[in-house]
Amino acid sequence: GIQVEQSPPDLILQEGANSTLRCNFSDSVNNLQWFHQNPWGQLINLFYIPSGTKQNGRLSATTVATERYSLLYISSSQTTDSGVYFCAVEQGGGSEKLVFGKGTKLTVNP
Amino acid sequence: NAGVTQTPKFQVLKTGQSMTLQCAQDMNHEYMSWYRQDPGMGLRLIHYSVGAGITDQGEVPNGYNVSRSTTEDFPLRLLSAAPSQTSVYFCASSLSEGYYGYTFGSGTRLTVV
Repeated sequence: GIQVEQSPPDLILQEGANSTLRCNFSDSVNNLQWFHQNPWGQLINLFYIPSGTKQNGRLSATTVATERYSLLYISSSQTTDSGVYFCAVEQGGGSEKLVFGKGTKLTVNP
Repeated sequence: NAGVTQTPKFQVLKTGQSMTLQCAQDMNHEYMSWYRQDPGMGLRLIHYSVGAGITDQGEVPNGYNVSRSTTEDFPLRLLSAAPSQTSVYFCASSLSEGYYGYTFGSGTRLTVV
């Protein structure tokens, strides 16, 4: 099956810093999503981005499908950005199975 | 409010007991799925359904049963709980065709002692 690798596994920032999280995947995908799992465990959908670039406030994401990677940018980080960021992909061919990476744990210190 | 509702939020079971985790969505989504989350493992797919009456196995299906009698509901059954099933369980749904984002429920934290 498709493999999803996220890097770095852990990231510690000072408030106000910028960061880039990476997601590599091993095959073509129909669907790619970025999720934020907050400290209470809730999974929040950040972006649905199988290709191209999207922005939402301080967050933006870019997926280069032909090169099989996606990047999540966080600018001017805040303590509320802390948590785990997951990349998840749905392989082509109608598999309807969302495969998750192991996540990047982000800690933003005041 | 539209979304995915999971019950209960917390549950403690004794080894060998059975229980059903409930999942309901009110968005008329065709696709529903169950994941378990274990430390350092990300989320792993247990079972999924592409519509009422149709289910299939995911990556880690052993020890779990599902059925989908209606579009709205997708319960997950543990027939004989084992300590290895201690985990956080998430239900998710998405629109048909698989070309839309997934919405997750708030999770069920299950402990088997």
